[in-house]
Amino acid sequence: GQNIDQPTEMTATEGAIVQINCTYQTSGFNGLFWYQQHAGEAPTFLSYNVLDGLEEKGRFSSFLSRSKGYSYLLLKELQMKDSASYLCAVRDRSSGSARQLTFGSGTQLTVLP
Amino acid sequence: EAGVAQSPRYKIIEKRQSVAFWCNPISGHATLYWYQQILGQGPKLLIQFQNNGVVDDSQLPKDRFSAERLKGVDSTLKIQPAKLEDSAVYLCASSLDSGYNEQFFGPGTRLTVL
Repeated sequence: GQNIDQPTEMTATEGAIVQINCTYQTSGFNGLFWYQQHAGEAPTFLSYNVLDGLEEKGRFSSFLSRSKGYSYLLLKELQMKDSASYLCAVRDRSSGSARQLTFGSGTQLTVLP
Repeated sequence: EAGVAQSPRYKIIEKRQSVAFWCNPISGHATLYWYQQILGQGPKLLIQFQNNGVVDDSQLPKDRFSAERLKGVDSTLKIQPAKLEDSAVYLCASSLDSGYNEQFFGPGTRLTVL
C-alpha cells in the first residue's frame, strides 16, 4: 500500500506564490497526480508526473523526485478562485490494479485578498 | 463533450435502508471508477471496471456494497443496508482506458445516513 502525506491547510495572499508539498511511500511507483477540488465539487485533473523533474502548465507547476518520494505543486500569481483543496494521488504498480490511484487527504488552500 | 453524469446529487436515508447511485461515464470511456470520499479525506477507490468487467474491488465492503456495469456503459452502486459511517460523497470517474492518465470525475452523490 501507500502512505501519502500533505499539509492539511495553507493560507496565502492573492498574487503570491505557494508551494504545496506531498511525500509518499510506495513499493511500485507508477506516477503521481495532482487534482484540484473546490468545495462541493468533483476533483479536476491538474498535472501528472512519472519522471523526475518539473512539469509546467501555465500558472501551475508540479515537481517530482522519485528517489526522495517527494512532489510539490507550485501555484504562481495566486487568484481568489485558487482557494480549493489540492489532492496528491499516487499510482502504484503493486496494488490490485496497476492503474489504481491512492489519494492523500488533501491540502485546503485559502487565498486571502 | 458531455462530462460524467451522476444521480441523484443528494440522498438522505436512515440506517439499515438501501440506496442506489447511478453513473453515466463520458462516451467511449472504457474504464469506470467508484470512489468514496468522507468529509476531510481524499477519495478512496471502491471498485474499478474495465468495460463490463471488474478490475479491482479489493476495497469494496462486499457484505453491504455492490456495483455493476452490465453493458459496459452505465453503472450503479448499491448499499444495502446502509450504516452511519457510509455518510460520504460517492464519486464516479471515467477514463479512456485503464492506461490513460487522466480520470474525469462526476459531480458526486452526497449521502447522509441518519
